[in-house]
Amino acid sequence: GQNIDQPTEMTATEGAIVQINCTYQTSGFNGLFWYQQHAGEAPTFLSYNVLDGLEEKGRFSSFLSRSKGYSYLLLKELQMKDSASYLCAVGIGQGGKLIFGQGTELSVKP
Amino acid sequence: GAVVSQHPSWVICKSGTSVKIECRSLDFQATTMFWYRQFPKQSLMLMATSNEGSKATYEQGVEKDKFLINHASLTLSTLTVTSAHPEDSSFYICSARPSGRGEQFFGPGTRLTVL
Repeated sequence: GQNIDQPTEMTATEGAIVQINCTYQTSGFNGLFWYQQHAGEAPTFLSYNVLDGLEEKGRFSSFLSRSKGYSYLLLKELQMKDSASYLCAVGIGQGGKLIFGQGTELSVKP
Repeated sequence: GAVVSQHPSWVICKSGTSVKIECRSLDFQATTMFWYRQFPKQSLMLMATSNEGSKATYEQGVEKDKFLINHASLTLSTLTVTSAHPEDSSFYICSARPSGRGEQFFGPGTRLTVL
C-alpha cells in the first residue's frame, strides 16, 4: 500500500527557520510535491523534487532522498502569513496521480 | 499562467438532490484532471482521475454511480454528486496538470453542504 507520514502540527517563531519532514513508502514513485494550504482554501504549489538533492526557491527549500523515502520542506525567515497546513504528496505512476500525507499544521508565533 | 477555476464556490442543497460542480483550466489544456475530497482537519483524498474523452478512473471505495465525472473537453471536467446525503457534505477540489509539467494546479474548491 501507499503510506505517507508527516508531523501533525509544529510551532515556530517569526523570523526563525523550520523544517517539516515527510517519509513515504509507495510504489511507482514519480516525484515528491509540497503544497501550502490556508484554512478554507485550495492548496497552492510550493515545490517539486524528482531527483535527489535540494531545490531552493526563495525562502522555501525542499530536499529529497529517494533511497531513504524521505523529504523535507525548509522555511526560512518565517512570517506570520506562513501559518498554514503544509501537505507532502507523492506522485504515483505516469498518469499524474498524487497521494497526499495528512498535512502538517504550522503555527508561527510572534 | 496555470489557473484552474471551479463553480460554484459553495452550494447548499437538500438531501436526495443532485449537484454538479464544474472545473475549468483557464489558460492551458488538460487531458487529465483530478477530483479530491477534503473533510475538516483532514488531508485531500483522491476520488478519481478524469480523462478527456474516456471514462474516469475511480479510487477504491469511491462509488462511480454516485459521483459522476464527465470530461467533455480539454478544459472542462464536471463532477455530479447524485442523490446527495448529509455525509457527502465536504470540500471538493479539482486539479489539472499542464502537459509537460509535473505539478498539478488546484481550483479554489467547492464547499458542499447537504441538509
